[in-house]
Amino acid sequence: SQKIEQNSEALNIQEGKTATLTCNYTNYSPAYLQWYRQDPGRGPVFLLLIRENEKEKRKERLKVTFDTTLKQSLFHITASQPADSATYLCALNYGGSQGNLIFGKGTKLSVKP
Amino acid sequence: GAGVSQSPRYKVTKRGQDVTLRCDPISSHATLYWYQQALGQGPEFLTYFNYEAQPDKSGLPSDRFSAERPEGSISTLTIQRTEQRDSAMYRCASSYGGVDGETQYFGPGTRLLVL
Repeated sequence: SQKIEQNSEALNIQEGKTATLTCNYTNYSPAYLQWYRQDPGRGPVFLLLIRENEKEKRKERLKVTFDTTLKQSLFHITASQPADSATYLCALNYGGSQGNLIFGKGTKLSVKP
Repeated sequence: GAGVSQSPRYKVTKRGQDVTLRCDPISSHATLYWYQQALGQGPEFLTYFNYEAQPDKSGLPSDRFSAERPEGSISTLTIQRTEQRDSAMYRCASSYGGVDGETQYFGPGTRLLVL
């Protein structure tokens, strides 16, 4: 079955630096990949979607890349702020009748002032 | 409605009792999903609906779990004869569905504790 690994459970960085989170998957590539943010006690909130034929997507300070050869997505937050501290979840979808997302465990990001 | 709502927010029950959780999706959304989320883990898929059709129940852990969406809007998730291992956060999400409608909007969840 499909396995998703987010490279670290926790990532601590200094304010102003770029945070880079990694999502690796096994087996075949998904139709698309999404990144969500989850704050304690709340549901995940959608951030970005990237399709299998896309290499990179940007939205404000966020950037996501998708490398189907490496079976990896990287998620970057530039000029990080303490307000960016949260858990970030990677999720894959295989399209067709499979509408569901397969989520990774998440990486907890802490941005220190 | 403005967002996805779920009720109750918290439910404590005794082992062996049945529980029903409710999800009210965003009104224009065709697709509704149920996930189970354990502490420190990402959500795990249970089942989903396109309107009232339920194309995929593969994530339901056992036949004690069932879900309905009879009119294509509100959905319920029922767990019969609850067991302690059913304790978790149950999350509902909805989306427009189809191509370009894949963003899922999550509700606040129902935290279930089975004693």
